[in-house]
Amino acid sequence: ETGVTQTPRHLVMGMTNKKSLKCEQHLGHNAMYWYKQSAKKPLELMFVYSLEERVENNSVPSRFSPECPNSSHLFLHLHTLQPEDSALYLCASSKGTRNTGELFFGEGSRLTVL
Amino acid sequence: GQSLEQPSEVTAVEGAIVQINCTYQTSGFYGLSWYQQHDGGAPTFLSYNGLDGLEETGRFSSFLSRSDSYGYLLLQELQMKDSASYFCAVRPLDTGRRALTFGSGTRLQVQP
Repeated sequence: ETGVTQTPRHLVMGMTNKKSLKCEQHLGHNAMYWYKQSAKKPLELMFVYSLEERVENNSVPSRFSPECPNSSHLFLHLHTLQPEDSALYLCASSKGTRNTGELFFGEGSRLTVL
Repeated sequence: GQSLEQPSEVTAVEGAIVQINCTYQTSGFYGLSWYQQHDGGAPTFLSYNGLDGLEETGRFSSFLSRSDSYGYLLLQELQMKDSASYFCAVRPLDTGRRALTFGSGTRLQVQP
């Protein structure tokens, strides 16, 4: 069982919908991340939060909007997405951002945009 | 910038040894990590090399040579459950970059 929980596990949405992905970590970590995983491509970093402050935004389109209300929760708000945004969205956490490279991932939210 | 290259697929038989290579072009990084991901599952941390040399954890070992811009993951006594994708990753030294940069992954298929 992972210490990082993501909901929903699967989501299908139209291009005009608004939805949110949720991530919760139970590990006492203070850094959280959103990554995008598409077929046959490297995991792409989207956002980094450290102590609830966004410290990195990797040139992500504004139709993706992150929110970190506290160190245990991370959201990704989605609106007016495109079919090419269909992917697995992975949340991860770590003990700070300057660590030995160990991230703890959730199982992901599989997003399909019609 | 950072670029990590891995073979896309590797096939091996049960009980064998397999080496998954990771070559990189990067301006500098703190260390090389390896992750395993089963289909439908979360990537899980396997190992970290902060210094050059070999790190061993049970059946898995990882190696780093900064002078050769090269690392590898070695899996011994392969089991069917080792069939998964394996990713190398680095955390860049670039100012302001705090998160890991991943390779595109190697899909390992273990056959009976």
